[in-house]
Amino acid sequence: DTAVSQTPKYLVTQMGNDKSIKCEQNLGHDTMYWYKQDSKKFLKIMFSYNNKELIINETVPNRFSPKSPDKAHLNLHINSLELGDSAVYFCASSHGGGELFFGEGSRLTVL
Amino acid sequence: AQSVSQHNHHVILSEAASLELGCNYSYGGTVNLFWYVQYPGQHLQLLLKYFSGDPLVKGIKGFEAEFIKSKFSFNLRKPSVQWSDTAEYFCAVNAHTNAGKSTFGDGTTLTVKP
Repeated sequence: DTAVSQTPKYLVTQMGNDKSIKCEQNLGHDTMYWYKQDSKKFLKIMFSYNNKELIINETVPNRFSPKSPDKAHLNLHINSLELGDSAVYFCASSHGGGELFFGEGSRLTVL
Repeated sequence: AQSVSQHNHHVILSEAASLELGCNYSYGGTVNLFWYVQYPGQHLQLLLKYFSGDPLVKGIKGFEAEFIKSKFSFNLRKPSVQWSDTAEYFCAVNAHTNAGKSTFGDGTTLTVKP
């Protein structure tokens, strides 16, 4: 069983569209994250949820809205997509301040 | 705020050469330290971690790292690299008081020539 799974793995869409990425973890972790990896491979945290509560919200445009229906799921919805949103988005989970377990990534391409 | 600096952006080695990748962090309190590896087209996975105790930690695939508190460093080493070690390597720091937030360095691309 995949520990952290994301869907879809690839999204190709036009500017201005709205898209969602889903993430689920079966590790029993309390904390889940969204990270963005740009074309230069730089990895930046976007959001973190602990037991469904938002605890980290980095400087991210409010077009990005995370939702955590329960502690095993953390979804990311993006409104009005822009070219600069093209990136690989990684979901991750951890137990407290421990190591991160990453999903396989969702590659978003905005045309 | 915590920050991480990786000095080598791109390292090219021949097989069997020794590897050392530098990592320095900036934070005055207690931290957890990590090295992650990202093989081409894959997700990040943990190589090794330091929480406390022996500052020399051993990870998977023959990698090790040494935490030097006085230098705020956590350099990654491997005595003899293989072609399969070609990947992106990320150092990360997680401050105990920062809500579990891990800050990553900008990564080092390692290319091992066969």
